[in-house]
Amino acid sequence: AQKVTQAQTEISVVEKEDVTLDCVYETRDTTYYLFWYKQPPSGELVFLIRRNSFDEQNEISGRYSWNFQKSTSSFNFTITASQVVDSAVYFCALSEARTGNQFYFGTGTSLTVIP
Amino acid sequence: EAQVTQNPRYLITVTGKKLTVTCSQNMNHEYMSWYRQDPGLGLRQIYYSMNVEVTDKGDVPEGYKVSRKEKRNFPLILESPSPNQTSLYFCASSFGGTDTEAFFGQGTRLTVV
Repeated sequence: AQKVTQAQTEISVVEKEDVTLDCVYETRDTTYYLFWYKQPPSGELVFLIRRNSFDEQNEISGRYSWNFQKSTSSFNFTITASQVVDSAVYFCALSEARTGNQFYFGTGTSLTVIP
Repeated sequence: EAQVTQNPRYLITVTGKKLTVTCSQNMNHEYMSWYRQDPGLGLRQIYYSMNVEVTDKGDVPEGYKVSRKEKRNFPLILESPSPNQTSLYFCASSFGGTDTEAFFGQGTRLTVV
């Protein structure tokens, strides 16, 4: 079973629109970590955020915000006032403390921001 | 500059010809791992290493080997490459383990014909 599901394969928005990228995870561990990475067209993977399972506080960083809800096993990512530079593939990832040492990535959401 | 370096960036090879993709990090990280990225499948972990001489299989280890003789290096070996190993490969490292952010190399685009 997929541990991390990103149901949105591709999203297109017009510049300045807000967009939310969904991430649903599955784990039986009580201690786990969630991540978001960005892969721009140049191909490198860029770390955006890390959250541990004990910290459900939402986080805002500039135009980016993250909503972590354990009740729905979701860790959604919102970009406010999107810009063309936000066009990228975004990956959500999970690691579990109990089972150790693997990262599980979702299949990614390709975001295109149209000028 | 802190970085993870992979070589080569691009490689075209023929079926059955052994190859090695190198990975080196200069951050003294304990944890290193290899991923392959395929369209529609995201990143899948091939192998990982918690420290020198400690390696373990990820989700898709078949057809690959790794070694960790030094902390900074984690080469990926394809003993007999096949076309289904055509993919984009990433090496990553992180301090301590999977509870911290991973730093990724620039990727290696491998084509096996």
